[in-house]
Amino acid sequence: EPEVTQTPSHQVTQMGQEVILRCVPISNHLYFYWYRQILGQKVEFLVSFYNNEISEKSEIFDDQFSVERPDGSNFTLKIRSTKLEDSAMYFCASSVQQETQYFGPGTRLLVL
Amino acid sequence: GDSVTQMEGPVTLSEEAFLTINCTYTATGYPSLFWYVQYPGEGLQLLLKATKADDKGSNKGFEATYRKETTSFHLEKGSVQVSDSAVYFCALITHSGNTPLVFGKGTRLSVIA
Repeated sequence: EPEVTQTPSHQVTQMGQEVILRCVPISNHLYFYWYRQILGQKVEFLVSFYNNEISEKSEIFDDQFSVERPDGSNFTLKIRSTKLEDSAMYFCASSVQQETQYFGPGTRLLVL
Repeated sequence: GDSVTQMEGPVTLSEEAFLTINCTYTATGYPSLFWYVQYPGEGLQLLLKATKADDKGSNKGFEATYRKETTSFHLEKGSVQVSDSAVYFCALITHSGNTPLVFGKGTRLSVIA
């Protein structure tokens, strides 16, 4: 069964450093998403992406964040200058239409 | 805005007990409703869904019925197992544009032998 994959599974970085989180969505899916889950809290939407552009973003998704689909298979989330409060589990998801979203296993980001 | 409210956890049950996790929602229009499960150390897995009123989603012995009149989507299982220990998230998506999933806070379930 096809699944969403994410790399790395864990990332530790110093405050102020840039990180890139990578996702490979399910191959025939058209809509892509990033969510995050701060430890013990609810899953929060960051951004959605369709047809090579951002279709919606939350207030969390400020100028420090960017997304890209560089090669037609990968979908990346970049955090330009990480802050302590960016420590969270980041989930990528994809869907065929604007309906059932399938999630990857997540990348746990720790900012020191 | 759209929102999902789940019962507070944690919920601790003995094996073979009956499980109910309450979920109610507020949404414009007619959302689709989902339950996702997060096992310890893992990501979110879709457990079941329902896309219109009176639909019943079911999977792995879990069931939930989309009740428009009470704006609810309670998760039930007749006999829980230790392997059901996880965090359960109720979520909705509306159909106006490319809107994201809106999640509840999650309910942690612990099943003891």
